[in-house]
Amino acid sequence: DTGVSQDPRHKITKRGQNVTFRCDPISEHNRLYWYRQTLGQGPEFLTYFQNEAQLEKSRLLSDRFSAERPKGSFSTLEIQRTEQGDSAMYLCASSLMAGNTEAFFGQGTRLTVV
Amino acid sequence: AQSVSQHNHHVILSEAASLELGCNYSYGGTVNLFWYVQYPGQHLQLLLKYFSGDPLVKGIKGFEAEFIKSKFSFNLRKPSVQWSDTAEYFCAVKAGNNRKLIWGLGTSLAVNP
Repeated sequence: DTGVSQDPRHKITKRGQNVTFRCDPISEHNRLYWYRQTLGQGPEFLTYFQNEAQLEKSRLLSDRFSAERPKGSFSTLEIQRTEQGDSAMYLCASSLMAGNTEAFFGQGTRLTVV
Repeated sequence: AQSVSQHNHHVILSEAASLELGCNYSYGGTVNLFWYVQYPGQHLQLLLKYFSGDPLVKGIKGFEAEFIKSKFSFNLRKPSVQWSDTAEYFCAVKAGNNRKLIWGLGTSLAVNP
């Protein structure tokens, strides 16, 4: 499968714990995005990378959230000191940089904070 | 701030009925417009997109959408739905030079056989 892959698919954690998610984009895609989706809502933008550079971060991304894309390939999203309000589906997408292109989405990581 | 509104949150249709889902956005400049679909348990998939040119765009599975610039709209249509079209449908907009997508809340479509 050469699509966007995310790991893990599901994560249950206790409040206060740290969690880290991984996203592997489509290999030739320069841009990588993280979105968050809660029930009954559309995805909300969190952050995006162009190669290894993090070019934009949403105000939704509190200090407890950090994302990296160290070699311009896979990315990680870490949430520290998780709160119940962090429970959501975390979506990763990737796209080419040049021209008018669409984003391709992974299946997401569903986080439940108990 | 840019926003996207989808008029219908839940739609229930019988097979062979026609479908139209409304999408309006607020942004006065150049936009790229998308409809994504999310089948139960699956990831978001692109149905169709508009970047420029013919405002009537055709997508997969018989879907089409029309960009009406004067109405800031990009409504999704299908002349005859099937049970397999049961899914969540999202309208999304990329505004100007922004790289991120702004999403509507989604429309849940249930098609009864």
